[in-house]
Amino acid sequence: GAVVSQHPSWVICKSGTSVKIECRSLDFQATTMFWYRQFPKQSLMLMATSNEGSKATYEQGVEKDKFLINHASLTLSTLTVTSAHPEDSSFYICSSIPMAGRTTEAFFGQGTRLTVV
Amino acid sequence: DAKTTQPTSMDCAEGRAANLPCNHSTISGNEYVYWYRQIHSQGPQYIIHGLKNNETNEMASLIITEDRKSSTLILPHATLRDTAVYYCIVQYSTLTFGKGTMLLVSP
Repeated sequence: GAVVSQHPSWVICKSGTSVKIECRSLDFQATTMFWYRQFPKQSLMLMATSNEGSKATYEQGVEKDKFLINHASLTLSTLTVTSAHPEDSSFYICSSIPMAGRTTEAFFGQGTRLTVV
Repeated sequence: DAKTTQPTSMDCAEGRAANLPCNHSTISGNEYVYWYRQIHSQGPQYIIHGLKNNETNEMASLIITEDRKSSTLILPHATLRDTAVYYCIVQYSTLTFGKGTMLLVSP
């Protein structure tokens, strides 16, 4: 099946610094990438949807200047958490649906556990 | 947007069938029902999807009622590794997750 590779799997950073999370589609072209955040014992919350070559669409309440999304190619999307604070500590997950093919299920990255200290 | 409701948690004995229900009474005619599961601290994993016919694959079976207002995911012989949160999702422009059902499979 299709594979979405997310890196890093975990990261610890100091408050005020920025962290970049990468998401790569290894064997398909990802026109659209979804970015989620998940707090402990809660469901996945959609943060934004990024489309290759255009600006991302952010969900209500998600600060676009804080969570910078770049989707410059069909196989790579990045999420940068700028000026991270402890409340940004969470599990971040990316997902994409293959652009071509008969199936429309989404494939998810392994997730990134961000801890801001 | 169609919404889904699922029980918060369910228990199942190892080797028995796990039947996970989902209500999606406002589903539109062209919307599929998708099931994913998430094992602790991992990304969600696709299980199965369907439109109106029952579906079966190597992981599970999906039973959709004739009026399409509800569905049931069946894991025929649950194992300990099936312990996870199971999400029923109605497909539209984005994958929006509800709270899911925490399935605990015990020996």
